[in-house]
Amino acid sequence: EVQLLESGGGLVQPGGSLRLSCTASGFTFYSYAMNWVRRAPGKGLEWVSVISDSGGSTYYADSVKGRFTVSRDNSKNTLYLQVNSLRAEDTAIYYCAKGNLGQLDYWGQGTLVTVSS
Amino acid sequence: NFMLTQPHSVSESPGKTVTISCTRSSGRIASNYVQWFQQRPGSSPRTVIYEDDQRPSGVPDRFSGSIDRSSNSASLTISGLKTEDEADYYCLSYDSSIQGVFGGGTKLTVL
Repeated sequence: EVQLLESGGGLVQPGGSLRLSCTASGFTFYSYAMNWVRRAPGKGLEWVSVISDSGGSTYYADSVKGRFTVSRDNSKNTLYLQVNSLRAEDTAIYYCAKGNLGQLDYWGQGTLVTVSS
Repeated sequence: NFMLTQPHSVSESPGKTVTISCTRSSGRIASNYVQWFQQRPGSSPRTVIYEDDQRPSGVPDRFSGSIDRSSNSASLTISGLKTEDEADYYCLSYDSSIQGVFGGGTKLTVL
């Protein structure tokens, strides 16, 4: 059974940083691209980033480019999102999702990031 | 970048059929796959359609996806509506620069 478990969210002040993790099981992690998607309170889903299966290619939404960094450790079956220079508008539930764009199939339960002073 | 436009809300009665549209503002809808996701309150998104019209295992065949090149749009059709289908539905596509774009979401009410 495919499982994706996010962690690392929490309350952080504006300008602060966090590292989000997504631990995967039930599939060959190193064979699949992985994505981060977020949903802010009262808003819709927003695509954040995708990383290729090897980790060699990464892509970001314009709203997070230069502040967020996606990475993965295939030996640990874990996806990461380093979020820096956080703003109030980054407050959201962050989900990891398995697959290439157009082929996302499984989603985690999400981790909440709250940016507030 | 392009935008994907969805109706803000739709409503229909149980047993009926509803179609949710997703119109691409620029670039061809057929250039990149469209996906559809269902999100119920308090739950994670669930994939209901991938690669324009493919249904994951476990998703009822009441759910179907299509694209219409003439209107540059994609559609999600749900037939035989059930109260459990009440949720927010989102379309997603991407462009050649590998940036994902979600539609604004459609709230489906089954009443």
